[in-house]
Order: sequence, then structure tokens, then C-alpha cells
Amino acid sequence: AQSVTQLDSQVPVFEEAPVELRCNYSSSVSVYLFWYVQYPNQGLQLLLKYLSGSTLVKGINGFEAEFNKSQTSFHLRKPSVHISDTAEYFCAVTFSGGYNKLIFGAGTRLAVHP
Amino acid sequence: DAGITQSPRHKVTETGTPVTLRCHQTENHRYMYWYRQDPGHGLRLIHYSYGVKDTDKGEVSDGYSVSRSKTEDFLLTLESATSSQTSVYFCAISTDSYEQYFGPGTRLTVT
Repeated sequence: AQSVTQLDSQVPVFEEAPVELRCNYSSSVSVYLFWYVQYPNQGLQLLLKYLSGSTLVKGINGFEAEFNKSQTSFHLRKPSVHISDTAEYFCAVTFSGGYNKLIFGAGTRLAVHP
Repeated sequence: DAGITQSPRHKVTETGTPVTLRCHQTENHRYMYWYRQDPGHGLRLIHYSYGVKDTDKGEVSDGYSVSRSKTEDFLLTLESATSSQTSVYFCAISTDSYEQYFGPGTRLTVT
């Protein structure tokens, strides 16, 4: 069975500082990995995805993530955050042959302070 | 925006009453999903559909049923609502490249 662990429930950071949101997964089969963002009182928006190929993937709003198969990780990074990045971020995994069902982590709340 | 709408957007109901939430998509995607979102749990899959009249259970399906009589509509029914089903419900579709896109959500309160 697959599972996703987001290692930090909350991450406070100052504006213009770098940030890393950590995600680890567990799976016995090859996986596809995603990061979603949820702004307050809104639905989920796809930030980026890893399906295959280059392990460094770039997404919207200046975010990027690196797939590390040996460490079963898919950490999300941004070199300089803005107040507008304040939101909840979800890591998710799916796998081939699984009806594209997503398994989500519990989420990390990013709070950017001025 | 994958053309997904949910109705109603907000609902307050009493314990023991039946409730049906509707998800509508405009792009004929094969796969559709219902999730619930609760603090500390992320999103958890309730039921999913892989075609008209083809549905299956997810992680937290107890107390819920679904129906899909048309490609564009996926209904979630709470047969007899309980306070533990107070949550935000999201519908989603999946593309052929494994991406899921979500509707705006329905906030359900069971009193």
C-alpha cells in the first residue's frame, strides 16, 4: 500500500526567505508524485508533478520539487517566498493501474510573515 | 479550470436526513472522485468512478453511496447524515496524464 508523510504540519517563514516543504512517500511500485496548493477557502490547485524523466521539476509560482527515489522523497522548494504564498500545501501520490486515485499527505500550512 | 462544478456549495442539515451532493464536469473525463477534507487528515478518498455505472469504494466509504448515470455527473449521497460527516467535500476528475483537477468544494454541516 502507498502512503504519504508530510513532515511538517506548519512552516513559518519570513518574506523573501527560502522555504522547503518536506514530503516522503512509501510504495512498493513506481509512483507519480504531485504537489497541490490550497489558498484559504478555495479548492486545490496543481502546483507541479513528477511522472518520469528529469528528477527536478518546475511548477507554477516559482516552485520546484526534486524527486529522490533512493530517499523516497519529493520535497517542494522556493528560493524566495511572498506573502501571497501563504496557503496549505499537499503532497500526493498515485501509481499506474490504480485508477489514478490520489493518496494525500496531511498537509503543510505555510505562513509567510512580513 | 477543468470545468467542474459542485452543488450545493454550502449546506446545513440535521442528523438522520439524507443528503445528495452533485458534481458536474464539462469535458467528458472518464475518472471522477469524491474526497472529504478534514483538519489534520488532508484529503481522503470516499468513492471513485471509472466510467458510467462503474464505481468503487475508497478509504472512507462507510455511510456514503455514489451514482454515475451520465459521464458528466457524479452524485454523492449520505443516506442518513451524522455529525461525523460534517466536512468539506471535493469532487475531482483525472486526465490521461494522471493529473487531478478539483471542484470548488461543498461545505456540509450536520447538526
